[in-house]
Amino acid sequence: GENVEQHPSTLSVQEGDSAVIKCTYSDSASNYFPWYKQELGKRPQLIIDIRSNVGEKKDQRIAVTLNKTAKHFSLHITETQPEDSAVYFCAASATTDFQKLVFGTGTRLLVSP
Amino acid sequence: DSGVTQTPKHLITATGQRVTLRCSPRSGDLSVYWYQQSLDQGLQFLIQYYNGEERAKGNILERFSAQQFPDLHSELNLSSLELGDSALYFCASSVAGTGLLSAAFFGQGTRLTVV
Repeated sequence: GENVEQHPSTLSVQEGDSAVIKCTYSDSASNYFPWYKQELGKRPQLIIDIRSNVGEKKDQRIAVTLNKTAKHFSLHITETQPEDSAVYFCAASATTDFQKLVFGTGTRLLVSP
Repeated sequence: DSGVTQTPKHLITATGQRVTLRCSPRSGDLSVYWYQQSLDQGLQFLIQYYNGEERAKGNILERFSAQQFPDLHSELNLSSLELGDSALYFCASSVAGTGLLSAAFFGQGTRLTVV
């Protein structure tokens, strides 16, 4: 089955810096890659997603890139703000597997003012 | 609001007891997923249902069971509870299985405390 690895487990940046979180997946059939942000004690919320037929997607300060050959995808946050502090999870799913979402282990991002 | 409703929000119970967690998916979503999140841990996949049928099973203990009803709501039953079962239990739903690609949307979770 699918296995998703996520790095780093913790990331500390200064406000205004960029942050990059990387994930690798194992199943070449995976074709959908969402990213979730989870604040303490709250539900994971979708922040951006990318499909396997796209290499990059942007939404304001957030972007995701996908390298299907290398089986890795990354989340890029530019001009970080303290409110970006949270745990970020990547996930992968395959239509052929009823889109069972397999999550990475999470990255705790801390943005210091 | 994600449109996914979970009840109850909080549950405190004693070891050895049995509880039932309930989830109502977003309108139109046929797939329901259950995840367990222990303190400061990741999202552990438990089980997935699609239109009433079990589709995928993760690290779900034999003491745990789930089902999805004809109206698509789902219940997660946890029995013979142990202290280590204390966690946040999330339900998520998506249109998976309908041919559409979509993320899963999470409910607010049920915080289970076993004392």
